[in-house]
Amino acid sequence: NAGVTQTPKFRVLKTGQSMTLLCAQDMNHEYMYWYRQDPGMGLRLIHYSVGEGTTAKGEVPDGYNVSRLKKQNFLLGLESAAPSQTSVYFCASSGLSSYNEQFFGPGTRLTVL
Amino acid sequence: SQQGEEDPQALSIQEGENATMNCSYKTSINNLQWYRQNSGRGLVHLILIRSNEREKHSGRLRVTLDTSKKSSSLLITASRAADTASYFCATPANNLFFGTGTRLTVIP
Repeated sequence: NAGVTQTPKFRVLKTGQSMTLLCAQDMNHEYMYWYRQDPGMGLRLIHYSVGEGTTAKGEVPDGYNVSRLKKQNFLLGLESAAPSQTSVYFCASSGLSSYNEQFFGPGTRLTVL
Repeated sequence: SQQGEEDPQALSIQEGENATMNCSYKTSINNLQWYRQNSGRGLVHLILIRSNEREKHSGRLRVTLDTSKKSSSLLITASRAADTASYFCATPANNLFFGTGTRLTVIP
């Protein structure tokens, strides 16, 4: 099993450009999450999903959109990138509930110039 | 916010010594989880302790939970250079709230 995978691993954008980060999991998990990690800030939840076709806002959702068209995939979109979105983005998934342990992907390092 | 806060922010010890990290949180919890993050990598789940448990062991890890003080501690015994990483506590509600982490450096 690959667990949780993320593509791409690195990306550099110019302000105003758009992009989509892809997260995939092969553990048949219901819950999936997108976090961003900034120095000294820990992890902050952007959006999450409790099942196929559902999404919900987390702590810092502004400037991001998500979609969960398939159970195994969770997409994070930036419609118009800003330098403040320079960060490392992590996807995670968990099984039966949000109280279970989460499994993390390796991260995507995004730089917005 | 239900966010956990780790203490200390950074810890440097010699190989073979024990490392203790503390976590405080703000509201009642169902469980508390500890994660490790090696530099440049994703987080890895270490251990989960439920609110009705006071202590839990996993290999060289020992976690305690004091719900009256809203605090938890993670003890790593006989540390190794490979334990060098950042350690986070996390408290779940509708989602998981992470602290800012303790950066542990184990010197060979």
